[in-house]
Amino acid sequence: GAVVSQHPSRVICKSGTSVKIECRSLDFQATTMFWYRQFPKQSLMLMATSNEGSKATYEQGVEKDKFLINHASLTLSTLTVTSAHPEDSSFYICSARASGGLTDTQYFGPGTRLTVL
Amino acid sequence: QKEVEQNSGPLSVPEGAIASLNCTYSDRVSQSFFWYRQYSGKSPELIMSIYSNGDKEDGRFTAQLNKASQYVSLLIRDSQPSDSATYLCAVRGYGGSQGNLIFGKGTKLSVKP
Repeated sequence: GAVVSQHPSRVICKSGTSVKIECRSLDFQATTMFWYRQFPKQSLMLMATSNEGSKATYEQGVEKDKFLINHASLTLSTLTVTSAHPEDSSFYICSARASGGLTDTQYFGPGTRLTVL
Repeated sequence: QKEVEQNSGPLSVPEGAIASLNCTYSDRVSQSFFWYRQYSGKSPELIMSIYSNGDKEDGRFTAQLNKASQYVSLLIRDSQPSDSATYLCAVRGYGGSQGNLIFGKGTKLSVKP
């Protein structure tokens, strides 16, 4: 299957700092990238959808000014958690899809575990 | 509100048995169906995709789709302890925003040695 990478895999930061997470599609061009968050023992929650060159579409309840998403190229999307607080500690997972075709599969990155002290 | 329903489990089966995971969806126009496996602390990985009614087999895995009943299932033959994970059913409709995957909450499978 296609490969999606994320960096960093784990980050620990102090409250109030900002953290940037990178998501790359390594062997295909991703017209659409997705950002999910997963708290322990809970299901995946979609945070936002981004199309290359367009503004991200955020799910209800997700603060767009706190979670900044940039999808500047067909292989790279970034999520910046601004002024992170302990309640932002979670497992953040990106996902990428090649195009809007019905058979196009959505592949997940390995995830980034964020711990805010 | 489009929904994808799964029994949360845990579903416990002995090693070597067949594990049967079920999923129902509410949006009749859904076109694409996926099963992902997620180990604890890891991100989901794709196991199977299915688009047409009937069965699709890949190794020990068989996906079954019945669009009339709005039902998709995953069978795991000769279950192994390494199959113990949470299995996520995902459904997608047409393009545009309807092209986004809708995930179920997942079924936790435990295969006992």
